[in-house]
Amino acid sequence: EPEVTQTPSHQVTQMGQEVILRCVPISNHLYFYWYRQILGQKVEFLVSFYNNEISEKSEIFDDQFSVERPDGSNFTLKIRSTKLEDSAMYFCASSEGDRGMWETQYFGPGTRLLVL
Amino acid sequence: QKEVEQDPGPLSVPEGAIVSLNCTYSNSAFQYFMWYRQYSRKGPELLMYTYSSGNKEDGRFTAQVDKSSKYISLFIRDSQPSDSATYLCAMSRPGANSKLTFGKGITLSVRP
Repeated sequence: EPEVTQTPSHQVTQMGQEVILRCVPISNHLYFYWYRQILGQKVEFLVSFYNNEISEKSEIFDDQFSVERPDGSNFTLKIRSTKLEDSAMYFCASSEGDRGMWETQYFGPGTRLLVL
Repeated sequence: QKEVEQDPGPLSVPEGAIVSLNCTYSNSAFQYFMWYRQYSRKGPELLMYTYSSGNKEDGRFTAQVDKSSKYISLFIRDSQPSDSATYLCAMSRPGANSKLTFGKGITLSVRP
């Protein structure tokens, strides 16, 4: 069964460093998302992406964050200058994009980011 | 008031018990309601979704939505140890790529 994959599974970085989290969405999907979950808190929406453009972003997704689909298979989240509070599990998700009013979002296993 | 609130946990039940998991919401724009299951070190996995008030059944699982009360529930019948996981309610507005708004999740443990 097709699945969303994410790399790396764990990333440790120093505060102020740039990190890039990578995702390979399900191959025929057109909509892509990033969510994050700080330990003990809710899964929170960061950004949605369609047709090489951001569709929607949350207030968390400030200028330090960017997303890119550099090729036909990868979808990346970049944090330019990491802060301690960016430590969280980051989930990528994708959905098909052709089913009308609602679609299942399929989640990857997550990347655990720790900022020291 | 938070957009989505979920009953706090954790919850521990004996095998075979009926489990009731509940969420409330405040945003009337939410029209699609989902339950995700998350095992340790895995991403959320869609368990059930519904968009109308009433009940939807799938095997041992029943999702219930009451839009007038802004209340959703997931019932698990004949609970099994394999049901032990974190259960997240999630909601969205209409729209093919609408963001999901999650509850905090409740960790369920089913004791053999």
